[in-house]
Amino acid sequence: DAGVIQSPRHEVTEMGQEVTLRCKPISGHNSLFWYRQTMMRGLELLIYFNNNVPIDDSGMPEDRFSAKMPNASFSTLKIQPSEPRDSAVYFCASSPPRHTNSYNEQFFGPGTRLTVL
Amino acid sequence: QQPVQSPQAVILREGEDAVINCSSSKALYSVHWYRQKHGEAPVFLMILLKGGEQKGHEKISASFNEKKQQSSLYLTASQLSYSGTYFCGTEKGGSQGNLIFGKGTKLSVKP
Repeated sequence: DAGVIQSPRHEVTEMGQEVTLRCKPISGHNSLFWYRQTMMRGLELLIYFNNNVPIDDSGMPEDRFSAKMPNASFSTLKIQPSEPRDSAVYFCASSPPRHTNSYNEQFFGPGTRLTVL
Repeated sequence: QQPVQSPQAVILREGEDAVINCSSSKALYSVHWYRQKHGEAPVFLMILLKGGEQKGHEKISASFNEKKQQSSLYLTASQLSYSGTYFCGTEKGGSQGNLIFGKGTKLSVKP
């Protein structure tokens, strides 16, 4: 089975440009999470979707960040305009429904390393 | 509300044991443990639930003290493959599955 798929794996852009990160969760999973990881702040939850609906976006840093999940197999995280302080590794993770007795473990994608110059 | 992990870093020789602690200022329903190897994504290790239930890893064990709002991860007879950063995560209210992770404990196992 394919795991969580993220694209691109690496992105280098200039300040002010729009950046779109993409995620395909594992088939059958109904929860999707976007995280940002930096040395200073660690692994931060940005937003959490359940059944394609945003449940908790309190971790989204500011209005420059937006996330969508138009269907069960695709999500995007957009930064517009990007700033150097947005440089980080962005992970997408998914988890299966609780009723599958999976203990809600999260399966992480390989991450997108974003560098904003 | 971020859980606090200690120590921040540990260096071991192969075969030695280590304990990583995770504590929270709020009541815990569950504690999740993940390991991240350098340059890779975090990988689920185990979950400990209120009431003592747990789903674990073969050679790594953990405890969960609900009253003290603490969890400890025990790595015994460490192997080189144990190297990485260990994160504990606590559920952010309502047991919906969205986690708040601690800052991590970097474990280095030397030959």
